[in-house]
Amino acid sequence: QKEVEQNSGPLSVPEGAIASLNCTYSDRGSQSFFWYRQYSGKSPELIMSIYSNGDKEDGRFTAQLNKASQYVSLLIRDSQPSDSATYLCAVNSEYGGSQGNLIFGKGTKLSVKP
Amino acid sequence: NAGVTQTPKFRILKIGQSMTLQCTQDMNHNYMYWYRQDPGMGLKLIYYSVGAGITDKGEVPNGYNVSRSTTEDFPLRLELAAPSQTSVYFCASIGQAYEQYFGPGTRLTVT
Repeated sequence: QKEVEQNSGPLSVPEGAIASLNCTYSDRGSQSFFWYRQYSGKSPELIMSIYSNGDKEDGRFTAQLNKASQYVSLLIRDSQPSDSATYLCAVNSEYGGSQGNLIFGKGTKLSVKP
Repeated sequence: NAGVTQTPKFRILKIGQSMTLQCTQDMNHNYMYWYRQDPGMGLKLIYYSVGAGITDKGEVPNGYNVSRSTTEDFPLRLELAAPSQTSVYFCASIGQAYEQYFGPGTRLTVT
């Protein structure tokens, strides 16, 4: 059973701090890694994708990937109360032969306190 | 582009009733997906399709059926609703880099 593991939280950080979200995955063949943000009662929204080892930065968000350790993380700098949401880690898996199938973690709930 | 649209937004069913959840995308994506999300849980794949006329089971297909007659539409059918199917259902389609775009969801309650 291919799995994606995340700390469920809640993770609480003060406004302006760095929030660090972590994710591990079991399928060594995975090649595509995604972070989604989901506000309560809403659908998941893609915020970052990463495909190669190292860091990828987009504004206040940085995704980090280490395939050898099967680990992917998301850093949110200068956290804002509007960042309060559940963050889902997703990893592609060749389920049924389709590279597009994603396995999702259960999500980490982030709370940014003013 | 409207992206991925789903109807209805909310529905209450009685045990044993049937219904179809509609999903449409206007991005000309070949790959489409149906997920369910239970409270505090991640997304579970129900069915997926890699193109018109081609569908396959995901992790939790029991109690559901799908069809894909066009690239745009991917309806999900519940034949005999059970309380265990109370959930939020999301439809998604996939772009060129495997990024998935989600619809707004259908909140279903079976009583």
